[in-house]
Amino acid sequence: AQTVTQSQPEMSVQEAETVTLSCTYDTSESDYYLFWYKQPPSRQMILVIRQEAYKQQNATENRFSVNFQKAAKSFSLKISDSQLGDAAMYFCAYRSAGYGGSQGNLIFGKGTKLSVKP
Amino acid sequence: DADVTQTPRNRITKTGKRIMLECSQTKGHDRMYWYRQDPGLGLRLIYYSFDVKDINKGEISDGYSVSRQAQAKFSLSLESAIPNQTALYFCATSAGGRARPGANVLTFGAGSRLTVL
Repeated sequence: AQTVTQSQPEMSVQEAETVTLSCTYDTSESDYYLFWYKQPPSRQMILVIRQEAYKQQNATENRFSVNFQKAAKSFSLKISDSQLGDAAMYFCAYRSAGYGGSQGNLIFGKGTKLSVKP
Repeated sequence: DADVTQTPRNRITKTGKRIMLECSQTKGHDRMYWYRQDPGLGLRLIYYSFDVKDINKGEISDGYSVSRQAQAKFSLSLESAIPNQTALYFCATSAGGRARPGANVLTFGAGSRLTVL
């Protein structure tokens, strides 16, 4: 079974600085998707960024980018120019590309709580 | 209106009571999911449904049941609530198949916080 590990329960960053959140995963599959979700205090789950495993280019969304290392099964999230509104829980998630049976369900890490200091 | 609506947003109940959490969506998605979030544990899958006639158990289905009343509606029931079912519950939806737009992105509701005393 696939697993997702976030080794940093909490992280802190100064406003305007850069922070990187770590995520590793374990799978025997070659085709899958990886996601970062943000959960602010409002508790809404918000998709931050998505990476398709067969694409070697790292995904980027404005100030958010990932470092996807397929061989190492690593998927870190970099937040540049951190803002107070970035303070939230961040969840890394894995999803098999297949859609039969239980494939296609999202498997989450336990989350990293990010604080942003003014 | 939200794409995925969960009711109630918050609920406090007593041990042994029957509770139903409801979820409706306007996305037209085939797939619907119920997740449970506990502090320090992330989100864990309770049940999922790929269409009205297809319902499957997830990682932690014991003590829960679901009903897919229509493509747009998926409800979660706790037949006899117990305190360790106190958690934040999320409904989510997604399209099916890689050829459809957004096939691999889940859209979440705002969550239902349940407290069992």
